[in-house]
This record gives sequence, C-alpha cells and structure tokens, in this order.
Amino acid sequence: NAGVTQTPKFQVLKTGQSMTLQCAQDMNHEYMSWYRQDPGMGLRLIHYSVGAGITDQGEVPNGYNVSRSTTEDFPLRLLSAAPSQTSVYFCASRSGQGGEQYFGPGTRLTVT
Amino acid sequence: GENVEQHPSTLSVQEGDSAVIKCTYSDSASNYFPWYKQELGKGPQLIIDIRSNVGEKKDQRIAVTLNKTAKHFSLHITETQPEDSAVYFCAASKGSNYQLIWGAGTKLIIKP
Repeated sequence: NAGVTQTPKFQVLKTGQSMTLQCAQDMNHEYMSWYRQDPGMGLRLIHYSVGAGITDQGEVPNGYNVSRSTTEDFPLRLLSAAPSQTSVYFCASRSGQGGEQYFGPGTRLTVT
Repeated sequence: GENVEQHPSTLSVQEGDSAVIKCTYSDSASNYFPWYKQELGKGPQLIIDIRSNVGEKKDQRIAVTLNKTAKHFSLHITETQPEDSAVYFCAASKGSNYQLIWGAGTKLIIKP
C-alpha cells in the first residue's frame, strides 16, 4: 500500500491564483480530512469527509472547497489564494470512528 | 468548543533521561486522546492513544496517563534515544466523528 499520497510537495502561487491540492489513499478508508499546519499553532482542520459524496467544514474552512466523488480521492481547492493561506497542508485518512489517522507527507504552499 | 493546551513548547533532555509532555483540555466530554510524533519533513504519526475509560497505557518506552478530573493527560518517554528527537502533538476529540483538536506541539531535543 502507498498509504496517503499528496501532490505537489511544494507550490508557489501569486495572490488571486487558484489551485487544487491532490490527496489519495489506497486503504479504503471512509474518513478523510484536510489540515493546515502553521508554526506554533498545531494542526487545524479545514474540511473533512465521512464518505464519498459527504463533506463538512472544520475549524478554518474559509477560502477552501472540497469534494469527495470517490472513496480514494479528496482534493482541496483554493479558490483565490491569499498570503494568509501560506502553510503546510496535510491530508489524512482513517478507517472509521476513532480509528488511527494516517497522514500524507504534506504540501508546502507559499502565496506571494 | 474544545481547546487543547500543550507544554512545554521545547524540551531538551540528556540521552537516557526521561521526558514528560503535558496537555490540558477544556471540554469534559472529550473521550479520546492520541499522541502523534512528527519528524522533519513528514506528516504526523500516531505513537500512542488513550480513551477516557482508561487511566494509563504503556507501550515499551512510551506511556500516557489521563486524569479526567483535572482534564489533563501526559506523555512519558523513558530512556530517551536520539531517534526520539521530533515534534510531539497531543490531541483530543469527542463524539461520533472523532474530529481532533490539536495542541501546539512540543519540540523534543535529545542531547548526546
């Protein structure tokens, strides 16, 4: 199993540009989440999904969209990038309620 | 909502000594408390977790204790080794979706 994969690893955007961060898992997990990690703040939940076709907002959803058309994929879209979205983004998946979360390697995003 | 505070932000210990990291949570309904280890350039990885019906759990050199009355839980690492150097995060969650609220992290430095 590849586990949780994320692309790209690094990305630089200009303010106002849009892009999609890709996340895929091959463990047939129901639950998938997107987090952002900023220095001194731990991880904050952006959006999550409890299964294909079902998504919900986390703590910091503004400026981000998600969709879950398949069990495997959970892309995160930045609609109009802002410098405040400069961060490291992690995708995670888990098998069910209370199961261990498996994290991808992260995407380091810089918005200038 | 839930708030998780983690201390200290940086901990430096001599190789072979013990390390203790502490977290407090605000929501008495929280019932799941995992600890994650994050190595440089990687996503967090679960190292141990505890549920609210248990006071202590051990796994080789790692242990977690939970005091529900005081609403705090701690990570104990004994006989520290160079490979223990990393950032450690605590988290707490409740409810059926088990969405995690994270502490800010502790950078553990093992001095040779």
